Amino acid sequence: NAGVTQTPKFRILKIGQSMTLQCAQDMNHNYMYWYRQDPGMGLKLIYYSVGAGITDKGEVPNGYNVSRSTTEDFPLRLELAAPSQTSVYFCASSYEGPTSSPLHFGNGTRLTVT
Amino acid sequence: AQRVTQPEKLLSVFKGAPVELKCNYSYSGSPELFWYVQYSRQRLQLLLRHISRESIKGFTADLNKGETSFHLKKPFAQEEDSAMYYCALSGNNQGGKLIFGQGTELSVKP
Repeated sequence: NAGVTQTPKFRILKIGQSMTLQCAQDMNHNYMYWYRQDPGMGLKLIYYSVGAGITDKGEVPNGYNVSRSTTEDFPLRLELAAPSQTSVYFCASSYEGPTSSPLHFGNGTRLTVT
Repeated sequence: AQRVTQPEKLLSVFKGAPVELKCNYSYSGSPELFWYVQYSRQRLQLLLRHISRESIKGFTADLNKGETSFHLKKPFAQEEDSAMYYCALSGNNQGGKLIFGQGTELSVKP
């Protein structure tokens, strides 16, 4: 049982480039989340999903896109990378949502945009 | 709009001293509050939730709806409590959304 797996661990992008941050979970969790963590700012919710085929915006969705074609995977897409997107990105999953079951977090992806 | 505020970025105490990490929230519905913790080189994980009304690792937190607070307390801090602590908010009409505060770094000195 690997839990929540994020790839890559580190990435450096040039301004304007695009990339996809991968997130996979093997716990059959329905809920999945993407957060970004900036120093002194805590965790900000980017997008979340309550099940395959369903996604919703969080607090800071601009500049990102997501899809949820399967229960296991929840990729985060950056189309035109900007320096403001330099951050540590965390993916998380939960079986029935935070009020019923805890969020399980991945190890994070550290992204630098220069 | 919902919001979680943790006013202290860093809290430094000596071993054996009492600890209180502050959390205030703003939410118009019925809130669900949580504390998550990230120890050094470990993943973020759930510490406790208000609905359970339990003590985990000696920590407790009481939801005060009048003051819209959910402070985390421990009577005697241990060095292994040093970590980053995040207060988080969900609610009855949030559809699975969970938002976090800015986090407080707790440093327990020997």
